[in-house]
Amino acid sequence: QKEVEQNSGPLSVPEGAIASLNCTYSDRGSQSFFWYRQYSGKSPELIMSIYSNGDKEDGRFTAQLNKASQYVSLLIRDSQPSDSATYLCAESYNNNDMRFGAGTRLTVKP
Amino acid sequence: EAQVTQNPRYLITVTGKKLTVTCSQNMNHEYMSWYRQDPGLGLRQIYYSMNVEVTDKGDVPEGYKVSRKEKRNFPLILESPSPNQTSLYFCASRGQTETQYFGPGTRLLVL
Repeated sequence: QKEVEQNSGPLSVPEGAIASLNCTYSDRGSQSFFWYRQYSGKSPELIMSIYSNGDKEDGRFTAQLNKASQYVSLLIRDSQPSDSATYLCAESYNNNDMRFGAGTRLTVKP
Repeated sequence: EAQVTQNPRYLITVTGKKLTVTCSQNMNHEYMSWYRQDPGLGLRQIYYSMNVEVTDKGDVPEGYKVSRKEKRNFPLILESPSPNQTSLYFCASRGQTETQYFGPGTRLLVL
């Protein structure tokens, strides 16, 4: 059974701090990795994708991938209350069949 | 406005009564997909479609059917709903880029 695992949280950080979200996956054949943000009662939205080992930065967000350890993470710098949401990790072998983790709920306290 | 629409948004039904949840996108996307979201389990893919008349099973296809007769529409059919299909359902579409656009969700309760 191919799985994506995340700590369900909740993860609470103060405003301005770095939030660190982690994810592990079981399928060594996975090629693509994604982070989605889902606000309460809303649909998921893509915030980051990563395909190669290493770091990928986009504004306050940095995704990190380590295929040898089957580990992907998301760092949110200078966290804002508006970042409070559930963050979903996802992986795919071919960008078609997608597997999501259960999500980590993040709360950023003012 | 580019969007994915789903109907109905909320549905209460009884066991065994066939239902269809419609999904439509206006972005000319080739790829469409259905997911269900349950507490503690996250999003699980039910079916996906790479193009018209091309569909494939995701991780949890049992009890569901789909069809892709037109590029813009990808309905989800529950021939004989059961209480374990009570869930929040999302349709999504994707074009040539990696970004999937999700619909607003359909909350289904099967009694």
